[in-house]
Amino acid sequence: EAQVTQNPRYLITVTGKKLTVTCSQNMNHEYMSWYRQDPGLGLRQIYYSMNVEVTDKGDVPEGYKVSRKEKRNFPLILESPSPNQTSLYFCASSFQVPGELFFGEGSRLTVL
Amino acid sequence: SQQGEEDPQALSIQEGENATMNCSYKTSINNLQWYRQNSGRGLVHLILIRSNEREKHSGRLRVTLDTSKKSSSLLITASRAADTASYFCASSGWSNTGKLIFGQGTTLQVKP
Repeated sequence: EAQVTQNPRYLITVTGKKLTVTCSQNMNHEYMSWYRQDPGLGLRQIYYSMNVEVTDKGDVPEGYKVSRKEKRNFPLILESPSPNQTSLYFCASSFQVPGELFFGEGSRLTVL
Repeated sequence: SQQGEEDPQALSIQEGENATMNCSYKTSINNLQWYRQNSGRGLVHLILIRSNEREKHSGRLRVTLDTSKKSSSLLITASRAADTASYFCASSGWSNTGKLIFGQGTTLQVKP
């Protein structure tokens, strides 16, 4: 089954404790992206990757890092999480740009 | 803000009725897409309409695009209780970054 898989789905952590949200897709898509969804602010792009070893900032990249060492994986790294990074995070991939995005089920992160 | 706007923010109808949601965007687009999100879940792509298209159908969905007004509408005909969800429009520009600019969404409730 074609899918984008994110882990963990739910996480409660404390300020400053590094964490990684993994994302993996099995559709051989070159394009991958991370979004965060917040009430009243909608979905905003954090980072995107056009292909392996090619990443770039989206609209709200501060406090986040990404890497793209393999085509299928695109982890989101929070080096020192802060409460304002409490959000619902979505990983997405696409076969072509611009085109439809396939979204993961989301990772709900709470930073205390 | 780059975000698009959707109207209405919330819509409640009876099963069998039609639901219409409107979306406005701000910049020139390559395509406009509509997504559906069940509560707390990932977004699911519904339909994509290109900037040179005016209308597109997919099952019970009908999408129109008016580039002169920078607006789009999504019509769901013969709604079902299972259509209850949030619906988002997302505009894709010409920058080739793959970024989608999402609207705030319309929350649709279909009462059985």
